[in-house]
Amino acid sequence: AQSVTQLGSHVSVSEGALVLLRCNYSSSVPPYLFWYVQYPNQGLQLLLKYTSAATLVKGINGFEAEFKKSETSFHLTKPSAHMSDAAEYFCAVSLGGATNKLIFGTGTLLAVQP
Amino acid sequence: EADIYQTPRYLVIGTGKKITLECSQTMGHDKMYWYQQDPGMELHLIHYSYGVNSTEKGDLSSESTVSRIRTEHFPLTLESARPSHTSQYLCASSELGLTDTQYFGPGTRLTVL
Repeated sequence: AQSVTQLGSHVSVSEGALVLLRCNYSSSVPPYLFWYVQYPNQGLQLLLKYTSAATLVKGINGFEAEFKKSETSFHLTKPSAHMSDAAEYFCAVSLGGATNKLIFGTGTLLAVQP
Repeated sequence: EADIYQTPRYLVIGTGKKITLECSQTMGHDKMYWYQQDPGMELHLIHYSYGVNSTEKGDLSSESTVSRIRTEHFPLTLESARPSHTSQYLCASSELGLTDTQYFGPGTRLTVL
């Protein structure tokens, strides 16, 4: 069965510091992987997705993630945090197929300190 | 501009009331989804639809029901609301491709007293 584990429910960084949000997945077949961001009182917005092309995926707002099959990881990074990055981030996995159901992690709340 | 809308955004209602949460999208997507999200928790799929007249139950058991009479509209109904239904409900849609992105609405935060 597929599952997603996000390490660290809360992460705090200083403005300008590196952002690293961790995501590990479990899947019996090659997965499709997604990172979504949720700002307060809003829905989820897609940051980036991996669909078996390049292992380093670039997304919006300067974020990127690297798919590492050997580590079953898909960590999200940004070289320099901005105050506007404060939000909740969700990693999700999908097997695709007719349903294209997403299995979400529990989320990581990112705080950016001035 | 293509988008996905949910109304109401916030709803406080008493136990036993019937409620309908509205979801509409202007992107012409065939697939639509309803997720339930409790504070600090992951999203759980409760209903989905492949297209008109298609509805399926998701991974999380829910007492709610859905209908899909028009492509753009996917309402969720609770016949008799209970405090255990208090949660945030998120609607999403996507195209039919295997890896197509799901686009989410802003959500409805439901509180049942």
